Amino acid sequence: GENVEQHPSTLSVQEGDSAVIKCTYSDSASNYFPWYKQELGKRPQLIIDIRSNVGEKKDQRIAVTLNKTAKHFSLHITETQPEDSAVYFCAASGLDTDKLIFGTGTRLQVFP
Amino acid sequence: DVKVTQSSRYLVKRTGEKVFLECVQDMDHENMFWYRQDPGLGLRLIYFSYDVKMKEKGDIPEGYSVSREKKERFSLILESASTNQTSMYLCASSRRLLASTDTQYFGPGTRLTVL
Repeated sequence: GENVEQHPSTLSVQEGDSAVIKCTYSDSASNYFPWYKQELGKRPQLIIDIRSNVGEKKDQRIAVTLNKTAKHFSLHITETQPEDSAVYFCAASGLDTDKLIFGTGTRLQVFP
Repeated sequence: DVKVTQSSRYLVKRTGEKVFLECVQDMDHENMFWYRQDPGLGLRLIYFSYDVKMKEKGDIPEGYSVSREKKERFSLILESASTNQTSMYLCASSRRLLASTDTQYFGPGTRLTVL
């Protein structure tokens, strides 16, 4: 069935370093790939998304890249700050375009 | 600004009780979702609704039912709560687009404990 794999499950970086989280998806028809950030005790919130007609999208310190051939996409956070500490979820649209298939999450810790 | 609200942030129930979790969205979204969030398992879809009175099973529907009588409101029902249903429950909503997928907006979550 449709599946999204996310790695790593935990990631620790020093403040100012970069962080990269990778996801692979199984359905070649997937065309929408959002990333959500969930701070402790809060709801998941969209931070960036990309559609299959582009290969990269940036928003300040955050970027997402998409490789449709390899069926993987990545979140890049540069110049990390302690407030970037959270759980990050990737997702991909499924055969049913109303739904999203979520990865299992990455817990990012940024140490001062 | 999209707003999705859930009836309770924390809920404690006893085994065998009937439990209602309610979700309301104010953006006239067609789609509404109920997810369960457990550590290491990510977000798992319980049920989905794309219109009033319409529902579809997700990946883990066993032990749950849903109701959508009005477009803005989607209820999750645990007919007879069990301890393995202790979890965080998240509601979400999105627009229904033709041949494309829209962003989902999440509610604050309900942490349910079944004793």
